[in-house]
Amino acid sequence: ELKVEQNPLFLSMQEGKNYTIYCNYSTTSDRLYWYRQDPGKSLESLFVLLSNGAVKQEGRLMASLDTKARLSTLHITAAVHDLSATYFCAVASGNEKLTFGTGTRLTIIP
Amino acid sequence: EAQVTQNPRYLITVTGKKLTVTCSQNMNHEYMSWYRQDPGLGLRQIYYSMNVEVTDKGDVPEGYKVSRKEKRNFPLILESPSPNQTSLYFCASSLSFLSYEQYFGPGTRLTVT
Repeated sequence: ELKVEQNPLFLSMQEGKNYTIYCNYSTTSDRLYWYRQDPGKSLESLFVLLSNGAVKQEGRLMASLDTKARLSTLHITAAVHDLSATYFCAVASGNEKLTFGTGTRLTIIP
Repeated sequence: EAQVTQNPRYLITVTGKKLTVTCSQNMNHEYMSWYRQDPGLGLRQIYYSMNVEVTDKGDVPEGYKVSRKEKRNFPLILESPSPNQTSLYFCASSLSFLSYEQYFGPGTRLTVT
């Protein structure tokens, strides 16, 4: 059974600082996804990572995938308040099921 | 406008009363999926569909049914709801089986008393 762990679960960081959210998974997969959810809202797709070594960047967010280590990272550069949200990673298994991590609630403080 | 719609958005019902939550997408997507979101548990996949007439179980399918008779629609059916199915439900779709980003519906908050 595929297990997906994110850490930290809660993160409070100051504006302007850099930080990384980690997503570890338990079985082989080369498809990993990052999503953002604002309070009371639906989920928004951020990144789709489809191969080992894949790196995607959008604004202050950069995601990478290391399939050998079964690890993805979401790096935040020079955080701003607008990035406050809950971030989820999700991993696809071979039979097209998708397993989510429990999420990282990120709060950016001035 | 490209979107995934769900109805109803909010529903309070009683144990055992059959209900259906509809999901529709206007993007001609092949892959559709249902998730439930519970505090501390993240999102868990209930059922997914690779295309018309092709559905399969996710991680928590017990107590749910789905059908995919048309490409655009993927209703979630609770034949006999129970209080442990109280949750926030999301429908999502993507162009193909997960090589593309998923688009999520607005969510349906279900309370079973």
